Formats: sequence, structure tokens, C-alpha cells
Amino acid sequence: GQNIDQPTEMTATEGAIVQINCTYQTSGFNGLFWYQQHAGEAPTFLSYNVLDGLEEKGRFSSFLSRSKGYSYLLLKELQMKDSASYLCAPVDSNYQLIWGAGTKLIIKP
Amino acid sequence: GAVVSQHPSWVICKSGTSVKIECRSLDFQATTMFWYRQFPKQSLMLMATSNEGSKATYEQGVEKDKFLINHASLTLSTLTVTSAHPEDSSFYICSARVTRDYEQYFGPGTRLTVT
Repeated sequence: GQNIDQPTEMTATEGAIVQINCTYQTSGFNGLFWYQQHAGEAPTFLSYNVLDGLEEKGRFSSFLSRSKGYSYLLLKELQMKDSASYLCAPVDSNYQLIWGAGTKLIIKP
Repeated sequence: GAVVSQHPSWVICKSGTSVKIECRSLDFQATTMFWYRQFPKQSLMLMATSNEGSKATYEQGVEKDKFLINHASLTLSTLTVTSAHPEDSSFYICSARVTRDYEQYFGPGTRLTVT
């Protein structure tokens, strides 16, 4: 079957760094997306990894290891507005995004 | 670019009535549109996938006669919740995809409350 595993909730301090891990098992693999979702809103795109390694984009970076079925999202210089859920979504062999429950990130002053 | 709109943003309806939700890609042509439902504190649940000009493909457990999907053009898909019940109250989100791109562009969502 297909499975996504992310921590349910994480707490971090404003200005700090946090890493959100995601392990996955899918039927085939065509890359992995990270989306951000604020409460009551639709998801917004953060990153897409298809090759192994680290992709850096401003304060956010995403890492992928295909052999390990593992990805992480790294958020630096945390701001209060980063409080949201972060969704890891690998793409399966049918080019469908497989959604996990997401990680709720709480930022404290 | 890649903006998707949904209308209405929120709707309250009485049990037994039908509600139509529109999803539009404003600045691109979407060959595929997806409809999701999300209950509070739960993950996105894919309801159906629709390709322009063909019948939608529904996920297991989703009643196709209750959730009518029409994808009449490359920029518009509609979801009609027929004979709505309070348990249909949820956040409905559509997304659109361009053929060559795996990324899904999400609409802002529609919050449905059935009383």
C-alpha cells in the first residue's frame, strides 16, 4: 500500500530552525512535493524534489533521498507566520499526489 | 500565473438541497482538475479526478451520484453536492494541473455547512 509518515505536531521558537521529516512508501515514484497549509485555507506550493539532494529556496530547503524513501523540509529564521501545517506529498506511478495528514507547526515567540 | 479560483468561498444550505461549487483556472488551461474534501484536523481526501470532456474518476467510497462533477471546458469544473446532509459539511478544495506538470494549483477552497 501507499503510506506517508510525518510527525503530527511540532513546536519551535521564533528565529530558530526546524526540520520536518517525511518517510513514504508509494507505488512508483515521480518526485515529492511539500505544501504549506494555513488553517482554513487551501495548500500552497513550497517545493518539488525529483532528484536526491538538497534544494534551497530562501528560508525553506527541501531534501530527498529516494533510496531511503525519505524527505525533509528545513525552515530557517522562523517567523510567526510560518505557523501552519506542512504537507509532504509524493507522486506515484499514476502521477497522483499521495497526501499525508501533514505536520502542524506551532511557532512560539 | 497559475491562479485557480473557487466560488462560492462559503455556503450554508439546508439538508436535502443541492449545492454547486465552481472551480476555474484563470490564466492557464487545465487538462485535469481534482476535487478534495478536508474535515477538520484531517488530511486532504481526494474525491475525484476529472479530465476535460470525459467522465470523472471517483475514488473508492465516494458516491458519484451524490457528488456530480462536470468538467466542460479546460478552465471550468463544477462539483454539485446533491441532497446534502449535515455530514457533508466540510472544506471542499479543487486543484488544477497542466498536462506536462505534476504540480497541482489549488483553489482557495469552499466551506460548506449543511444545517
